[in-house]
Amino acid sequence: EVQVVESGGGLVKPGGSLRLSCAASGFTFRSYSMNWVRQAPGKGLEWVSSISSSGSYLYYADSVKGRFTISRDNAKNSLYLEMNSLRAEDTAVYYCARDLSGIYIFDSWGQGTQVAVSS
Amino acid sequence: IQLTQSPSSLSASVGDRVTITCRASQGIGSYLAWYQQKPGKAPNLLIYAASTLQSGVPSRFSGSGSGTDFTLTISSLQPEDFATYYCQQLNSYPPATFGGGTKVEIK
Repeated sequence: EVQVVESGGGLVKPGGSLRLSCAASGFTFRSYSMNWVRQAPGKGLEWVSSISSSGSYLYYADSVKGRFTISRDNAKNSLYLEMNSLRAEDTAVYYCARDLSGIYIFDSWGQGTQVAVSS
Repeated sequence: IQLTQSPSSLSASVGDRVTITCRASQGIGSYLAWYQQKPGKAPNLLIYAASTLQSGVPSRFSGSGSGTDFTLTISSLQPEDFATYYCQQLNSYPPATFGGGTKVEIK
């Protein structure tokens, strides 16, 4: 069974940092692009970042560019999101999502991890 | 590219035929997907490439359209279908732009 499980969320002060992790199982992780998608409280979905299967290609939404860094460790079947200079507007549930075919079709999602940025 | 869903919410009864519309601000070919999200849960992929049903998704769900106008249809609404539905374009940067969502509620 395909499974992705996020962790690492929490409460952080504005300007602070947090590292999210996503543990994958049930599929050949190194063969798939992976993504982070977030959802602010009561709001819709926002794509945050993606990384190619090899880790060579990285993409970011303008809203997080320069502050967030996506990475992966294919040996550990894990995806990461390093978040720096956090702002109140980064408060959201962050989902890890597998890309079905490398064109941003998200076929498997984790349960999400909550990030709250507040003083 | 902006995606506008309509309506933003609707009330329907079990057994009803439900249609949700997604309009793109410019042509995106067939590069559109639909997701269902229930409260407190992650989204679930229903349809991609505008009309291809994801494996395991009931056949009462269908998608159509191309260019700028797309529809998601639920042929006979079931109790488990009450949820929020999102369209998503994957044609141009920024990738994976989502519509604002359509909440389907029980009448």
